[in-house]
Amino acid sequence: GQNIDQPTEMTATEGAIVQINCTYQTSGFNGLFWYQQHAGEAPTFLSYNVLDGLEEKGRFSSFLSRSKGYSYLLLKELQMKDSASYLCAVRDGIGNTGKLIFGQGTTLQVKP
Amino acid sequence: DAMVIQNPRYQVTQFGKPVTLSCSQTLNHNVMYWYQQKSSQAPKLLFHYYDKDFNNEADTPDNFQSRRPNTSFCFLDIRSPGLGDAAMYLCATSRGLSSGQPQHFGDGTRLSIL
Repeated sequence: GQNIDQPTEMTATEGAIVQINCTYQTSGFNGLFWYQQHAGEAPTFLSYNVLDGLEEKGRFSSFLSRSKGYSYLLLKELQMKDSASYLCAVRDGIGNTGKLIFGQGTTLQVKP
Repeated sequence: DAMVIQNPRYQVTQFGKPVTLSCSQTLNHNVMYWYQQKSSQAPKLLFHYYDKDFNNEADTPDNFQSRRPNTSFCFLDIRSPGLGDAAMYLCATSRGLSSGQPQHFGDGTRLSIL
């Protein structure tokens, strides 16, 4: 079956670093995406990994290990506006649908 | 400027009364998707269009249908909404189906059923 696991909630302090983990078990694999979703708003694209290793984009970095079925999103220098839900999504690679399978999301609360 | 636009942001309908949600895009993307997202749950893909080719997910209820009259517009029709259909409905687009192409989401329509 298809399964993507993320912690439900995390709390961190403004200015700190937080790591949000994602593990996946899917029929195929054709890339992993991280999205940010503020309450009542659309998910916005943060990062994409298809090869093993770290991708860095400003304060956000994402890591992938395909052999372990594992990814993390690293947020540095946390700001209050980073309080949001973070969704891990895997493209399952079956056929050519580009279908994304989403995790339930991790709600991050940043405190002063 | 919003590139994937969903109207309305909030929709209230009565149990069993047909309702249509709309989505438009200014990105000229080939693929348009409809997702259902219930509170604290993952977005769930209902169907997608690649150009005019319609692709339904196996577990999408027959109650849900879609139309794409042109590249820019896509509609979600719910023929007889039940209480369990209350959710956020997200429209997304992508240029194609290649692995690295992200999906761009609209702000969603929150559907309530009375």
